[in-house]
Amino acid sequence: EDQVTQSPEALRLQEGESSSLNCSYTVSGLRGLFWYRQDPGKGPEFLFTLYSAGEEKEKERLKATLTKKESFLHITAPKPEDSATYLCAVNYGGSQGNLIFGKGTKLSVKP
Amino acid sequence: NAGVTQTPKFQVLKTGQSMTLQCAQDMNHNSMYWYRQDPGMGLRLIYYSASEGTTDKGEVPNGYNVSRLNKREFSLRLESAAPSQTSVYFCATPRGRGYGYTFGSGTRLTVV
Repeated sequence: EDQVTQSPEALRLQEGESSSLNCSYTVSGLRGLFWYRQDPGKGPEFLFTLYSAGEEKEKERLKATLTKKESFLHITAPKPEDSATYLCAVNYGGSQGNLIFGKGTKLSVKP
Repeated sequence: NAGVTQTPKFQVLKTGQSMTLQCAQDMNHNSMYWYRQDPGMGLRLIYYSASEGTTDKGEVPNGYNVSRLNKREFSLRLESAAPSQTSVYFCATPRGRGYGYTFGSGTRLTVV
């Protein structure tokens, strides 16, 4: 069964304390891994797409990496405004490019 | 969110009542999707539409119907609401290859 698992479920950091979020997947024929940010009461907001092992993408304090079985979202020197739920999703090549989403990691950054 | 508009934003229904959730996109994309998001469950696909006039079931279609009215609009209907359908519903459409989906801001539905 195709699955996407995110860990940890919740993460509390102090401002400036770098860390990583994990997304592991068991799908055949990966056609893209996506990271989204979701703020309370809002829809998910696209961050990155990764297609192949070894690929990396960066945006401000965020860096996403991909291996054959997992992806990491590295957060460097986070700020309180980085607090949000981060979702991972994979396109497994099913009908019309549907995505399988993980349950998310809720990140809290304290000043 | 820019490009995908959902109405209403909030709704409370009594068990057995019906309602339609509306979604419109101006991204000019053929595909549109309806997801529901529940605590601890993540986003799950209800129905999707690959193009105007076509719809297909996703992971959790029971209790729902959809209509792809035209290229812009994709509606989700609950014929007889049940408490298990209390959830946050999101509509989405692709932004283009490599750019993921654009999601609407959601409809928060409570069935009592």
